[in-house]
Amino acid sequence: AQSVTQPDIHITVSEGASLELRCNYSYGATPYLFWYVQSPGQGLQLLLKYFSGDTLVQGIKGFEAEFKRSQSSFNLRKPSVHWSDAAEYFCAVGDDKIIFGKGTRLHILP
Amino acid sequence: EAGVVQSPRYKIIEKKQPVAFWCNPISGHNTLYWYLQNLGQGPELLIRYENEEAVDDSQLPKDRFSAERLKGVDSTLKIQPAELGDSAVYLCASSLRQGSADTQYFGPGTRLTVL
Repeated sequence: AQSVTQPDIHITVSEGASLELRCNYSYGATPYLFWYVQSPGQGLQLLLKYFSGDTLVQGIKGFEAEFKRSQSSFNLRKPSVHWSDAAEYFCAVGDDKIIFGKGTRLHILP
Repeated sequence: EAGVVQSPRYKIIEKKQPVAFWCNPISGHNTLYWYLQNLGQGPELLIRYENEEAVDDSQLPKDRFSAERLKGVDSTLKIQPAELGDSAVYLCASSLRQGSADTQYFGPGTRLTVL
């Protein structure tokens, strides 16, 4: 069965520190992979997506993610977080239908 | 370019009452999605439209939920009667075409509280 696991419900980092949000998936073939961000009271916004090719994907707002087939992972990274990055982050997988993980809430310390 | 518009943003009703949510997708987007997002969870697809045709409604609880997309543009999702467990955020999204290759753009959602 297709599934997405985000093992961290909450993560807290200091402003300016690096960030890595974990995502593991279970899928029958190489899936399409996504990261979305949801700020309070807002809809989801696509940060980046992977379909094929280069396994390191660049997204908006300085985010990147790396697809590792051997680990079934698609972790999201940012070298230096800003206070405005505080939000909920969702990893998603799918082809015809997208399945979302449960999300990781990112807190930023000043 | 205007994004996906949803109304109302918030709705509070008593159980057993009917409720309806409205969504206007981005102009020109043929595919429209309704998602349910429970607290602390990711969105779950309820129904997907390609133009005016519902191409995937397998997750829509048809005993109390209904949806329509007349003329293939805006859409309405209805619950009748509402139950306490229906309290959640209902998200609408749209994309140019069907399939994950196309980016889905989400509206701000309607937060439903059933008392």
